[in-house]
Amino acid sequence: AQTVTQSQPEMSVQEAETVTLSCTYDTSESDYYLFWYKQPPSRQMILVIRQEAYKQQNATENRFSVNFQKAAKSFSLKISDSQLGDAAMYFCAYRRLQGAQKLVFGQGTRLTINP
Amino acid sequence: DVKVTQSSRYLVKRTGEKVFLECVQDMDHENMFWYRQDPGLGLRLIYFSYDVKMKEKGDIPEGYSVSREKKERFSLILESASTNQTSMYLCASRVTDGRANYGYTFGSGTRLTVV
Repeated sequence: AQTVTQSQPEMSVQEAETVTLSCTYDTSESDYYLFWYKQPPSRQMILVIRQEAYKQQNATENRFSVNFQKAAKSFSLKISDSQLGDAAMYFCAYRRLQGAQKLVFGQGTRLTINP
Repeated sequence: DVKVTQSSRYLVKRTGEKVFLECVQDMDHENMFWYRQDPGLGLRLIYFSYDVKMKEKGDIPEGYSVSREKKERFSLILESASTNQTSMYLCASRVTDGRANYGYTFGSGTRLTVV
């Protein structure tokens, strides 16, 4: 079974600084998807960024980028120029390419932005 | 704008009660999911459904059942609520198709307290 591990329960960063959230996963599959979701206090899960394992290029969405290391099974999220609105729980998630369409989530990292 | 609606934001029930959590989506999605979210554990899959009247157990199905009589509605049932089922419950849906579309839409969650 696939597993996802986020080893940082909490992180904090100064506004306008850069922060990196860590995620590792375990799978025997060669092709899959990886995601970062944000959950603000409103509880609404928001997709931040996604990566397809067959793509070598790291995904980027504005201030959010990932460092995808397939051999190491590592998928970290970098947030540049942190803003107060980035404060939230962040979840890393995995999904197989074939078969069950379910997402497997990590434990989550609570990100605090200090003004 | 697409939506997944969970009928209750907060719910308090007594031990032993039969509890129904309702989830409705307006996007004609085939796949629907029920997750449970607990601090330090992330989101764990309880049940999912590929289509009407079809269901599969997730990682933690014990003490739960589901019903999907119509495509838009996916109900989670706690047959006899217990205090260890106090948690946040999140519903999600997605369309079944190929590689190109992998978007999930989440509801805003139901925080259930069993006393």
